[in-house]
Amino acid sequence: AQTVTQSQPEMSVQEAETVTLSCTYDTSENNYYLFWYKQPPSRQMILVIRQEAYKQQNATENRFSVNFQKAAKSFSLKISDSQLGDTAMYFCAHYSGGSNYKLTFGKGTLLTVNP
Amino acid sequence: EAGVAQSPRYKIIEKRQSVAFWCNPISGHATLYWYQQILGQGPKLLIQFQNNGVVDDSQLPKDRFSAERLKGVDSTLKIQPAKLEDSAVYLCASSFGGYGTEAFFGQGTRLTVV
Repeated sequence: AQTVTQSQPEMSVQEAETVTLSCTYDTSENNYYLFWYKQPPSRQMILVIRQEAYKQQNATENRFSVNFQKAAKSFSLKISDSQLGDTAMYFCAHYSGGSNYKLTFGKGTLLTVNP
Repeated sequence: EAGVAQSPRYKIIEKRQSVAFWCNPISGHATLYWYQQILGQGPKLLIQFQNNGVVDDSQLPKDRFSAERLKGVDSTLKIQPAKLEDSAVYLCASSFGGYGTEAFFGQGTRLTVV
């Protein structure tokens, strides 16, 4: 079974600075996806960035980038030039490459961006 | 494009009562997920449908929870009877179902059992 671990329950960062959120996972699969989802206080979960395990190049979406270390089973999220609107819960998720496409989440990191 | 719709947004019930939640996924999405999110925790998968068939319900407390997906579209999740520990946000999500496709989430239903 897949497990996802986020060891930082809470983090804070000053506006315009850079912050990195950590995630490790455990899987026996060789092909899978990893996601970072954001859940603002309004509660609706939205996708921030995704990474396919077969791709060695780290994914980037504007101010969001990942550091994917497949051998170490590590998948961290870097947010550059943090903005007040980045304040949210961030969830790391593993998407199974098996036939059932199971999506497993970590416990989340509450990120607060301070002005 | 309309998103995932869920209702009701909030529900307060007494323990041992029953409750039902409704989800309308994005049109054309084959995969539908129900997650339970207890305050301060990550979402826990309760049940996953592929069209109208169940793919995974290993974490669904089947003695009190049930779910169905009508004609591979709308879905309902029912709790009967409810317990205090069922207080949580119930999230519905859907995706096209292809490998690596994004799951889109609804606003969720916040259930309080008193």
